[in-house]
Amino acid sequence: GAVVSQHPSRVICKSGTSVKIECRSLDFQATTMFWYRQFPKQSLMLMATSNEGSKATYEQGVEKDKFLINHASLTLSTLTVTSAHPEDSSFYICSARDGGTGNTIYFGEGSWLTVV
Amino acid sequence: GQQLNQSPQSMFIQEGEDVSMNCTSSSIFNTWLWYKQDPGEGPVLLIALYKAGELTSNGRLTAQFGITRKDSFLNISASIPSDVGIYFCAGCRSYNTDKLIFGTGTRLQVFP
Repeated sequence: GAVVSQHPSRVICKSGTSVKIECRSLDFQATTMFWYRQFPKQSLMLMATSNEGSKATYEQGVEKDKFLINHASLTLSTLTVTSAHPEDSSFYICSARDGGTGNTIYFGEGSWLTVV
Repeated sequence: GQQLNQSPQSMFIQEGEDVSMNCTSSSIFNTWLWYKQDPGEGPVLLIALYKAGELTSNGRLTAQFGITRKDSFLNISASIPSDVGIYFCAGCRSYNTDKLIFGTGTRLQVFP
């Protein structure tokens, strides 16, 4: 079946540094990818929607200069957390819409970010 | 950001019992989805509902799309230990083009 893969699954970075998380659709072309953030014991909160080749659309309250999203190809989107702080520590999940088969949305396995 | 309200927030039940949880929204959605999330993993789709009034089953799971298009419920019959996890509803105005808005989640614990 269709698979969306995230890398890395876990990352620890120092406060003030930047970290990049990749989201790949392994066997389909993703017309749209979504990035969510999930704090412990909370729901998934949509951060931004990205379409291939265009700028991401950010949800209200999400800093676009801090959370850089690049969707350079139909199979890859990246989220870069710039100047990370401990409060950015969270579970980041991407999902991808398969434009070829009924626009089904598939979720990645998530990436744990810990900022120390 | 916008969230859908789910209830109950958590449930502690005995194996074999039936479970019911629901999801409500202040605005209309044209697609309702139910997901299960295990710790440290992404959500997995359980059931998708595309039409108001639709009742759909997937094994021991049954979900309904409310007539008003502002609510949905999920039932799990004869619960088993592997049903443990967090269940999320998600709404969407158009599944083909729009974003998913997630509910607050229902945490299910099943005791043998």
